[in-house]
Amino acid sequence: AQKVTQAQTEISVVEKEDVTLDCVYETRDTTYYLFWYKQPPSGELVFLIRRNSFDEQNEISGRYSWNFQKSTSSFNFTITASQVVDSAVYFCALNGLSGGYNKLIFGAGTRLAVHP
Amino acid sequence: DAGVTQSPTHLIKTRGQQVTLRCSPKSGHDTVSWYQQALGQGPQFIFQYYEEEERQRGNFPDRFSGHQYPNYSSELNVNALLLGDSALYLCASSLVAGPTYEQYFGPGTRLTVT
Repeated sequence: AQKVTQAQTEISVVEKEDVTLDCVYETRDTTYYLFWYKQPPSGELVFLIRRNSFDEQNEISGRYSWNFQKSTSSFNFTITASQVVDSAVYFCALNGLSGGYNKLIFGAGTRLAVHP
Repeated sequence: DAGVTQSPTHLIKTRGQQVTLRCSPKSGHDTVSWYQQALGQGPQFIFQYYEEEERQRGNFPDRFSGHQYPNYSSELNVNALLLGDSALYLCASSLVAGPTYEQYFGPGTRLTVT
């Protein structure tokens, strides 16, 4: 079975603080993909990043960075110097061969509130 | 370039009624997936349509059915509505079925069952 766990339900920070959102996944697939999506109050899920199971290189995109560690089945997301516009619900998701690569398995999400 | 669009935005129905939700994929996309997102939870996969056929289905009862038209637009139908069907229904489109093409999500339809 495939599963994604986001243990942090809500995080509250003050602007300019760094914040890390945790994601732990379970899968028996050797080939799988991991994703992060942002859901602002408007409701639309915004794609942030995709990482395949064979690429453990960390990635940085502006203030965003991702740390993928297969040894601990984690795919954590860090926002550096957070801004009020980062306030949203963030979802980690998994997509693997056993799921036919057709469906995304989402975690429960982490609500991030960035205060001025 | 139009993104994924969904209609209606909000809908209120009574238990036992039937509802149809609509989705137009992003221009050029041929695959449509539907997800149900209950309040405070992550989206759950309902099913995916490609080439007008249901390719894969999540753990949802037969009350949930769908259709894809030749222009790739899609409908989600839910029969015999239950209070528990109240949720945000998200449509996602991609270029082809598979993991290498990210799914683009629409704004969703908020369904309330009373």
